[in-house]
Amino acid sequence: DTGVSQDPRHKITKRGQNVTFRCDPISEHNRLYWYRQTLGQGPEFLTYFQNEAQLEKSRLLSDRFSAERPKGSFSTLEIQRTEQGDSAMYLCASSPGRLNYGYTFGSGTRLTVV
Amino acid sequence: AQSVTQLGSHVSVSEGALVLLRCNYSSSVPPYLFWYVQYPNQGLQLLLKYTSAATLVKGINGFEAEFKKSETSFHLTKPSAHMSDAAEYFCAVIEGNTDKLIFGTGTRLQVFP
Repeated sequence: DTGVSQDPRHKITKRGQNVTFRCDPISEHNRLYWYRQTLGQGPEFLTYFQNEAQLEKSRLLSDRFSAERPKGSFSTLEIQRTEQGDSAMYLCASSPGRLNYGYTFGSGTRLTVV
Repeated sequence: AQSVTQLGSHVSVSEGALVLLRCNYSSSVPPYLFWYVQYPNQGLQLLLKYTSAATLVKGINGFEAEFKKSETSFHLTKPSAHMSDAAEYFCAVIEGNTDKLIFGTGTRLQVFP
């Protein structure tokens, strides 16, 4: 069990560029979640997968955001045409899907749009 | 929908003093409740969880929390603060049957020598 890995840890991009983040969950966890956290706030839910199926997307997830989990293992989160308001910490978490378990979080990807 | 409210965005204590971080939940059914800690530029680490077993839950790093249904509270305590406890603390609740964690706005704990 190597925990949840996120790559990159930091990303600085110019407004209008596309960015992609990767998350590798704990291997035996079938659920994977993406959250966004802005300064001074708690994490806000974006979307989650059970295996390869994307089961829910938040209204926070505009059309510029897309997430995939093609083989039910790692996941990618892509942001197209980035805006300054997209600057945030993007957190990935995984769980075995039991309600009482809680999540294991990765260290996050900090995105700065300049 | 379930939610949690954390009272006090900042709490300051002296090293060795009692730590009390407040969390109240809103839920029509017995909730699953969690406390997470976040150090600067890090992800969130699970401190402890309430899953309808014992009402007094012990977690890592000497923290514990008590579930009080009558007060709809799940406050986090530690008898003696250590400098290394300085961090952001988040209370969270599972939303219904979705397995989706809903977080409070967080409380920043400062520990002074």
